[in-house]
Order: sequence, then structure tokens, then C-alpha cells
Amino acid sequence: GNSVTQMEGPVTLSEEAFLTINCTYTATGYPSLFWYVQYPGEGLQLLLKATKADDKGSNKGFEATYRKETTSFHLEKGSVQVSDSAVYFCALRSNNNDMRFGAGTRLTVKP
Amino acid sequence: NAGVTQTPKFRILKIGQSMTLQCTQDMNHNYMYWYRQDPGMGLKLIYYSVGAGITDKGEVPNGYNVSRSTTEDFPLRLELAAPSQTSVYFCASSPLTGPEAFFGQGTRLTVV
Repeated sequence: GNSVTQMEGPVTLSEEAFLTINCTYTATGYPSLFWYVQYPGEGLQLLLKATKADDKGSNKGFEATYRKETTSFHLEKGSVQVSDSAVYFCALRSNNNDMRFGAGTRLTVKP
Repeated sequence: NAGVTQTPKFRILKIGQSMTLQCTQDMNHNYMYWYRQDPGMGLKLIYYSVGAGITDKGEVPNGYNVSRSTTEDFPLRLELAAPSQTSVYFCASSPLTGPEAFFGQGTRLTVV
């Protein structure tokens, strides 16, 4: 079946450090890929998306590239801020329209 | 624009009780989903629906039922609550024309 595997957390970084959160997926066909962010006590918010191979999604300084050859969609940011502290979820939506999420990675950014 | 609305926000149930978690969306989205999020864990898909009258099981459907009589509403029913169903439940919807899902604020359920 379809599934998403993402890097175990938690991740703790200093402000202005480089961030990478790894995500790989298993799916038939050509899924759409997403990164969602969850702030404490809130629901999930879409951070970025990519709908086909080699697409790059970007938003608020975060980027991820859809790599079909490695079935990956790693999240990166060049310089994190304290306000980026949250839980990040990688997700896919398959051709039959179910959406699957990874386990989430908690990021803490210290000043 | 309200988006996806879930009620209630919090609920405590006793073992064996039943309840319905309500979810409604005002965006005319075809697809709707129910997830549960256990502490420190990711989201597990319980059920989803691709349109009124159509529902499908996700990864963890046991102990739950759903119905989709209208485009707007997708209630989740727990018939015999068990402690293992203590979790935060999220409802989401997505449009026919775009792949991303929009989430409600969640319902925190505790079964004691």
C-alpha cells in the first residue's frame, strides 16, 4: 500500500542553521507530495506541494523537490528561525485519492 | 469563509459509550477524510470519502463508522468507545481541482 517514511525527530537547531528533514514514499502511479506544518494546539497547515516529478515546492523559505528516481521529497531551509519551531509532516495523495502522512518530525529552534 | 469545522473540540467518554464527531465543510469539496493523531505520532487515516454516498476504509477503520449523505458533512461514529480510541481526531477536505487537503482544528477525545 501507499506509505510515507520521514526522518525521526526531534530535531533541535540553533537560529540561522540549515535544516533538512528527509522524506521517502512508496506509492503506485504518480502521487502528489506535500509538506504540512502543525503548530501547538492547531490543525495542520499546508506548507508546500509538488504534483509531478522534478517539481520544486517552495514557501516561506522552505523548499522540497519531487525526486521520482529516489522516491523522495526532502524538506530544506537555509536559515531557520525560532518561529519555525513546529511539527512537520510529509504526505502523499495517491491516484485513488487517499492521503497518507508520515509520523511527523518535531523541530525546535533555539535563539 | 469557515473552511472545515469540527465539533466538539473536546470530549470525555466512558468506556462503552457512543458518540458522533461532526465535520462540515463549506468549500464544496468532493473529498473528505478522517484521521487520528496519537501523542507523538503521525496521522493515521480512518476513513475517507470521494463524494456523497461513497466511503472507503483507510489504515485504521476498526471501531469507527462514517456516512456521507451530503457533500458538506462527514460525521465519524464511535459505537463502543474504548481507551485505545483516546486520540486527537482531524477532519480534512480537498477539492476535485487540487490535491492539497484543508484541515479542521481537531477534536480531542479521551475515553476513561
